[in-house]
Amino acid sequence: GNSVTQMEGPVTLSEEAFLTINCTYTATGYPSLFWYVQYPGEGLQLLLKATKADDKGSNKGFEATYRKETTSFHLEKGSVQVSDSAVYFCALYGQAGTALIFGKGTTLSVSS
Amino acid sequence: NAGVMQNPRHLVRRRGQEARLRCSPMKGHSHVYWYRQLPEEGLKFMVYLQKENIIDESGMPKERFSAEFPKEGPSILRIQQVVRGDSAAYFCASSPYSAKETQYFGPGTRLLVL
Repeated sequence: GNSVTQMEGPVTLSEEAFLTINCTYTATGYPSLFWYVQYPGEGLQLLLKATKADDKGSNKGFEATYRKETTSFHLEKGSVQVSDSAVYFCALYGQAGTALIFGKGTTLSVSS
Repeated sequence: NAGVMQNPRHLVRRRGQEARLRCSPMKGHSHVYWYRQLPEEGLKFMVYLQKENIIDESGMPKERFSAEFPKEGPSILRIQQVVRGDSAAYFCASSPYSAKETQYFGPGTRLLVL
């Protein structure tokens, strides 16, 4: 079945450091891929998405490229801020699916 | 443009009581999804509904849990005879008919069973 695997956290960085959070997936066909962010005590916010191979999703300085050949959708940001501290979830929506399938989440902690 | 609304935000129940969680989708969205987040885990799909129809309940526990999305009013997730293992955050999401994969989440209801 479809699944998502994320790198385990926590990831601890200093402000302005480069961020990569790895995400790989297993799916049949061509799923859509997403990154969501969850701040403490809140719901999930859609951060970015990509719906086909080689698409790049971007938002608020975050980017992720849909790589079909490596079944990956790694999240990157060139310079993190303290306000980026949150839990990040990678998710997929299968071609024949009805629901999002989430990874376990990666906690990011950024210090000044 | 209001987002997905959920209430209550926090709910405390004693074992054996009933819990009712409500979700109002974004304006113009006709699809509602419920997910559960257990501590230190990602979200797990429970049920997908359209108005007056359950489309997919493959993630719903077979007993004690039910969901509805009536013609008028919010979607309701109902948990009967709650047990401590039901303690979790329950999130509702909605999507438009034209883009079911793009789901927008509410703030969640955090259920604590004593």
